[in-house]
Amino acid sequence: AQSVTQLDSQVPVFEEAPVELRCNYSSSVSVYLFWYVQYPNQGLQLLLKYLSGSTLVKGINGFEAEFNKSQTSFHLRKPSVHISDTAEYFCAVSEEDYKLSFGAGTTVTVRA
Amino acid sequence: DAGVTQSPTHLIKTRGQHVTLRCSPISGHKSVSWYQQVLGQGPQFIFQYYEKEERGRGNFPDRFSARQFPNYSSELNVNALLLGDSALYLCASSLNRGNYGYTFGSGTRLTVV
Repeated sequence: AQSVTQLDSQVPVFEEAPVELRCNYSSSVSVYLFWYVQYPNQGLQLLLKYLSGSTLVKGINGFEAEFNKSQTSFHLRKPSVHISDTAEYFCAVSEEDYKLSFGAGTTVTVRA
Repeated sequence: DAGVTQSPTHLIKTRGQHVTLRCSPISGHKSVSWYQQVLGQGPQFIFQYYEKEERGRGNFPDRFSARQFPNYSSELNVNALLLGDSALYLCASSLNRGNYGYTFGSGTRLTVV
């Protein structure tokens, strides 16, 4: 069975600074990888996904992530954050059964 | 186009009661999944339905059940509510079984007192 570890529970960052959110997964088979964002009192919004092909994936709102199979990682990055990026971020993995397994989440707080 | 819609948005129930949560997927989407998100944690998979058949079930007790209707909408039922069932229940839909990613609704916040 797959599992996901988000290595940072909270990440404070200043506005216009870069941010990286770390995600490692464990799985014995090929996986699909996702990053979702959750704003307060809302559902989950898909930021980006890796299904196959290029290991560098670009998503919405300037986010990108890199799939590293040898290190079983899928870290999320943004070169310059805005106050509006303050939210909870979830890394998720699915295998052939297509159910999503989520990490515990990383809270990003952007300060002016 | 309307996204994934869930109802109600909030509700409060008493221990031992029964609850029904509803979900309408994006038009054309045939797969619906349910997730439970306890405060401070990531969502946990409960059920997946595709073409009106159960295709997956998470590690939840038999008090949890679901079904998908011919129009692809879905209901999640929870019997004999416990305090620990208090959570945000999220519905997600996908065109097929989900290997292209799911679209989530805003959820139903269930509080059991």
